[in-house]
Amino acid sequence: KNEVEQSPQNLTAQEGEFITINCSYSVGISALHWLQQHPGGGIVSLFMLSSGKKKHGRLIATINIQEKHSSLHITASHPRDSAVYICAVRSYNTDKLIFGTGTRLQVFP
Amino acid sequence: KAGVTQTPRYLIKTRGQQVTLSCSPISGHRSVSWYQQTPGQGLQFLFEYFSETQRNKGNFPGRFSGRQFSNSRSEMNVSTLELGDSALYLCASSAGTGFQETQYFGPGTRLLVL
Repeated sequence: KNEVEQSPQNLTAQEGEFITINCSYSVGISALHWLQQHPGGGIVSLFMLSSGKKKHGRLIATINIQEKHSSLHITASHPRDSAVYICAVRSYNTDKLIFGTGTRLQVFP
Repeated sequence: KAGVTQTPRYLIKTRGQQVTLSCSPISGHRSVSWYQQTPGQGLQFLFEYFSETQRNKGNFPGRFSGRQFSNSRSEMNVSTLELGDSALYLCASSAGTGFQETQYFGPGTRLLVL
């Protein structure tokens, strides 16, 4: 079983829909990252969380440390949000980043 | 500030050869991490350097090595290339090594081993 699991693997939405991507992990962590990767490979760091909730524009990220679970929400989705969203945790024991397999999101106009 | 740059962007090698990839971090950043991304394994951590010292290493064979220079630029080397080394190699820089640090990723070097 992977140490970081994301769901769903693929997601299709119509423009304007509310999107939720989930991330569950099984190791102790010091931080959790949400990353966005567009076709072509470039990765952008969206959020770094160690507790609670963060918001940036239409994106909201939450983390529940007790349940070892995080969610990334996109409100009023737009075709430019189409990308792969990757959850990564920094292991408390090894200090290494462990990545989920990503969620491929496609938003259609 | 200029972003993280990686050279070359694309590379084709044959099995048994070796390759050196370069990463220039954002000015002022002292930490550089390297990652391998493949369709089968996804993103995997290779190594992290801070102030010319390897701070952490992933679970890769000894054929994968790296170093960091005094100007924080970093190189990674893969010797005796195998077909399975075909991947996108990404580097990321951050100002420090704390767990709260945001990592800034470069565009990657796409390596194809034939």
